[in-house]
Amino acid sequence: DVKVTQSSRYLVKRTGEKVFLECVQDMDHENMFWYRQDPGLGLRLIYFSYDVKMKEKGDIPEGYSVSREKKERFSLILESASTNQTSMYLCASSNRPAGTEAFFGQGTRLTVV
Amino acid sequence: QKEVEQNSGPLSVPEGAIASLNCTYSDRGSQSFFWYRQYSGKSPELIMSIYSNGDKEDGRFTAQLNKASQYVSLLIRDSQPSDSATYLCAVNNGNNRLAFGKGNQVVVIP
Repeated sequence: DVKVTQSSRYLVKRTGEKVFLECVQDMDHENMFWYRQDPGLGLRLIYFSYDVKMKEKGDIPEGYSVSREKKERFSLILESASTNQTSMYLCASSNRPAGTEAFFGQGTRLTVV
Repeated sequence: QKEVEQNSGPLSVPEGAIASLNCTYSDRGSQSFFWYRQYSGKSPELIMSIYSNGDKEDGRFTAQLNKASQYVSLLIRDSQPSDSATYLCAVNNGNNRLAFGKGNQVVVIP
């Protein structure tokens, strides 16, 4: 079974802190994604990566950056956390070719106070 | 127009009935279509994928794809209380990214 593991289930951070969310997958998938999910807004793509050291902006990249130094690990960085970044963050991975199904991690509920 | 739209509000169905969910998409070049189920407080899990026009059945679930009309639907037969969840439609247009609809909540009433 594909396993996508996010480093924290719940996280509380202060405004202005630099926050790191880590995601690891064990199925050698090329593609990895970071989404945030908010009530009424659905799942919105922040960034995705289709290869090591490669990244592309999604629909809402402002205030975020990402790092993919190894194939199995994709990190989301909040440079200076703000209260409007309080959300559920979901990591996913999928294999090539394009169009194969994505598998999700358990999610990180981030609260910025 | 949003990439993927799920416009129906919460759907309440009696146990044993059929639940029907619809999804439309805007990109005619879309190639792959998925339905995910998400229980409250949990992450989405894949329940169906469909790639060509027509119907695809898996147990009590049937996905239907009509590329000419740009819609994909999900039928849940013999609905059970355990089917109560939010169902997300996702579409891939070939550029390695998935676009999701906002989801439809299904409530199965015993």
